[in-house]
Amino acid sequence: EVQMSESGGGLVQPGGSLRLSCEASGFTFSSYAMTWVRRSPGRGLEWVSTISSNGGITNYADSVKGRFSVSRDNSKNTLYLQMGSLRAEDTAVYYCVKDKVGQQLVRPLEYWGQGTLVTVSA
Amino acid sequence: SYVLTQPPSVSAAPGETARISCGGSDIGSKSVHWYQHKPGQAPILVVYYDNDRPSGIPERISGSNSGDTATLTITGVEAGDEADYFCQVWDRNTDYRIFGGGTKLTVL
Repeated sequence: EVQMSESGGGLVQPGGSLRLSCEASGFTFSSYAMTWVRRSPGRGLEWVSTISSNGGITNYADSVKGRFSVSRDNSKNTLYLQMGSLRAEDTAVYYCVKDKVGQQLVRPLEYWGQGTLVTVSA
Repeated sequence: SYVLTQPPSVSAAPGETARISCGGSDIGSKSVHWYQHKPGQAPILVVYYDNDRPSGIPERISGSNSGDTATLTITGVEAGDEADYFCQVWDRNTDYRIFGGGTKLTVL
């Protein structure tokens, strides 16, 4: 069974930093691209970042570019999201997502974790 | 940047058909994916590449895509279908994944 378990969320002050982790199981982690998606309270889903299976290619939404960094450790089946210069508008539940196999970002987001809540507030 | 437009809400009585639209410029030339999201749960992929269904998704959930509108259709609506539904595409010009604003399906 495919599972993703996110951790690392919490309360952080504006301007602060936080690192999210996602432990994956039930599939060959190193063979799949992985994605972070967030949902802010009362708002919709927003794509944050995607990393290729070997970590060599990363993509970011404009809203986080230069502040967030995605990485992965295939030996530990773990995905990371390093978040910096956090703003109130980054408050959201962050989901770790396994991409379906396929070329480029046209592929769908196949399996989602339960998410971890990040709250940015003074 | 590319924009996807969904109605904020759709309602249907049990047994009826619910249709959720997703509008975008020439969206028919793109591949559309649909996700179901219930409060406190992980989102679920329900339709991908316009009209394919993952295993475990019932046949009464289907998708179509043509011109400027993609549509998610749920026939024989059940109480358990009440959720937020989001369409999503890849914009090759920006290399971004774009989500629609979401539609809340209410089962009357």
